[in-house]
Amino acid sequence: DAEITQSPRHKITETGRQVTLACHQTWNHNNMFWYRQDLGHGLRLIHYSYGVHDTNKGEVSDGYSVSRSNTEDLPLTLESAASSQTSVYFCASSLSAGRGETQYFGPGTRLLVL
Amino acid sequence: GEDVEQSLFLSVREGDSSVINCTYTDSSSTYLYWYKQEPGAGLQLLTYIFSNMDMKQDQRLTVLLNKKDKHLSLRIADTQTGDSAIYFCADWANAGGTSYGKLTFGQGTILTVHP
Repeated sequence: DAEITQSPRHKITETGRQVTLACHQTWNHNNMFWYRQDLGHGLRLIHYSYGVHDTNKGEVSDGYSVSRSNTEDLPLTLESAASSQTSVYFCASSLSAGRGETQYFGPGTRLLVL
Repeated sequence: GEDVEQSLFLSVREGDSSVINCTYTDSSSTYLYWYKQEPGAGLQLLTYIFSNMDMKQDQRLTVLLNKKDKHLSLRIADTQTGDSAIYFCADWANAGGTSYGKLTFGQGTILTVHP
């Protein structure tokens, strides 16, 4: 069955380290999204991509980067991890960005920055 | 910018109805969604409604949309303990006037169902 996976599921790192969170989908979806979830803020969009080699900044993109070299993967990199980036990170994908297009979510990655 | 607001907590007894409310600011929103998040899991789509509809019913779920007041609600009939979760409303908005768009989520409502 097609699916969307994230790895690792849990990660502990130290401030200043570079961290990369993986997201892989097998639906052949054009669009992929990264969100962070924090209590009281819901899900906030970090970066998104509408296709290979396309990336766009979301509302909380500072300190994060993404690259899209193929359809299946959108890794999220924290260039220099900060304690404020402790959060739960969700990846999502959708076939197109048209209205009503369902986004399918991965299981999430819990990141703790010490 | 776009804003979507929800109350943070709702507690009900098993068998009662639950009503989760949401308000949004973007008058151009045409699709509004309800997602459910169970503990330790990602989000799953429950239902969505088009802006030209006032109501949509799907088994125990009823979605009401008041476009004039920009108010969306999700009613769960005969609430069960398995309905305990976080419920997010979200709306779809254009990105930069193109046909592309993205979702804006509310903060989520934690629904607790007591036996």
